[in-house]
Amino acid sequence: DAKTTQPTSMDCAEGRAANLPCNHSTISGNEYVYWYRQIHSQGPQYIIHGLKNNETNEMASLIITEDRKSSTLILPHATLRDTAVYYCIVGYDKVIFGPGTSLSVIP
Amino acid sequence: DAGVIQSPRHEVTEMGQEVTLRCKPISGHNSLFWYRQTMMRGLELLIYFNNNVPIDDSGMPEDRFSAKMPNASFSTLKIQPSEPRDSAVYFCASKQDRRNEQFFGPGTRLTVL
Repeated sequence: DAKTTQPTSMDCAEGRAANLPCNHSTISGNEYVYWYRQIHSQGPQYIIHGLKNNETNEMASLIITEDRKSSTLILPHATLRDTAVYYCIVGYDKVIFGPGTSLSVIP
Repeated sequence: DAGVIQSPRHEVTEMGQEVTLRCKPISGHNSLFWYRQTMMRGLELLIYFNNNVPIDDSGMPEDRFSAKMPNASFSTLKIQPSEPRDSAVYFCASKQDRRNEQFFGPGTRLTVL
């Protein structure tokens, strides 16, 4: 049962910010929002997670709405190496991957 | 740190044969996860362990699949007998308690002819 809804695909110009949306309207109080990405033929890579507050690390920023029903992953300056499938997941210890968003960064 | 280690990286076998996939988690990580990825079904969680104990195996497709974690540094996923529909990439991941992020291995690409 998919708990999140993401666009199937998105394009972003190299050097621009990539904003990837995610809806998770059924999220429960103790569930985190996680973002992972998978570059072709590699294992998924953790990006960032959050519970209520916005979060930032060296890879990305995560903006979570006040009602926690949606979030946005922001890659501030997308590069060609950011082309990947991005997964938004809600959960606690156990995380269930959906189909994700295929992001293409275009030169 | 070498990261999560999986072996073999590629496996080609014939239908009916036993297949054993191996995983060495990152040292100090308490939880270990096995996933399967196919084009049709995406990335599916098969089973996960915490402190070497299976916690949730609801994703294991059928009795042909079994997983063990005899100690904190080793886990196996066994398929017996294998079938062509088991062809997929199998990923192992590990994480520490009190940390949220999972670290994935490079995967084992299994082809059952």
